[in-house]
Amino acid sequence: EDQVTQSPEALRLQEGESSSLNCSYTVSGLRGLFWYRQDPGKGPEFLFTLYSAGEEKEKERLKATLTKKESFLHITAPKPEDSATYLCAVQAYGQNFVFGPGTRLSVLP
Amino acid sequence: GAGVSQSPRYKVAKRGQDVALRCDPISGHVSLFWYQQALGQGPEFLTYFQNEAQLDKSGLPSDRFFAERPEGSVSTLKIQRTQQEDSAVYLCASSDGPNQPQHFGDGTRLSIL
Repeated sequence: EDQVTQSPEALRLQEGESSSLNCSYTVSGLRGLFWYRQDPGKGPEFLFTLYSAGEEKEKERLKATLTKKESFLHITAPKPEDSATYLCAVQAYGQNFVFGPGTRLSVLP
Repeated sequence: GAGVSQSPRYKVAKRGQDVALRCDPISGHVSLFWYQQALGQGPEFLTYFQNEAQLDKSGLPSDRFFAERPEGSVSTLKIQRTQQEDSAVYLCASSDGPNQPQHFGDGTRLSIL
């Protein structure tokens, strides 16, 4: 059975303090790994798709990387507006998305 | 439309009542998904449509849950004889295809009293 775990469960950073969020997965035949951002009371907002080990994607202060067992979301010099829950999801070939529980990020001014 | 639209945003029902939740996907998106999200958890898959065909309903928790998309556009998730454990946020997502990034609505928060 496909499984996704995320760590830490919650993370509190000072503005400008860089850090990384982890997404570990077990899946038979990864087709893609997806990162989403979710604000309170809102639906998840798509950030990145990664397809193969070694791939990297960047968007503003965020960079996502992928290995055969895990993905990292690196946040460089975060700002308070980066505060949100970050979700990762995996999709095996022929299967539906499986989401992790998320990491709640708080960036303090 | 500009994004996925869900209605109502909030629904309160008494245990045993039937409810219907609506999803308007992004125009032209052939794939439509329903998820259930409990507080503090990630979304859990319920069901998937490709156009009007329901290709996967393996995540529906019981036969009280029913989804339809009769014309391949708007979808409705119906829950019959609601129970307290049905309380959750129900999210709808659409995409260009089953393997493309999914774009989510803001969900319907369902509370069963």
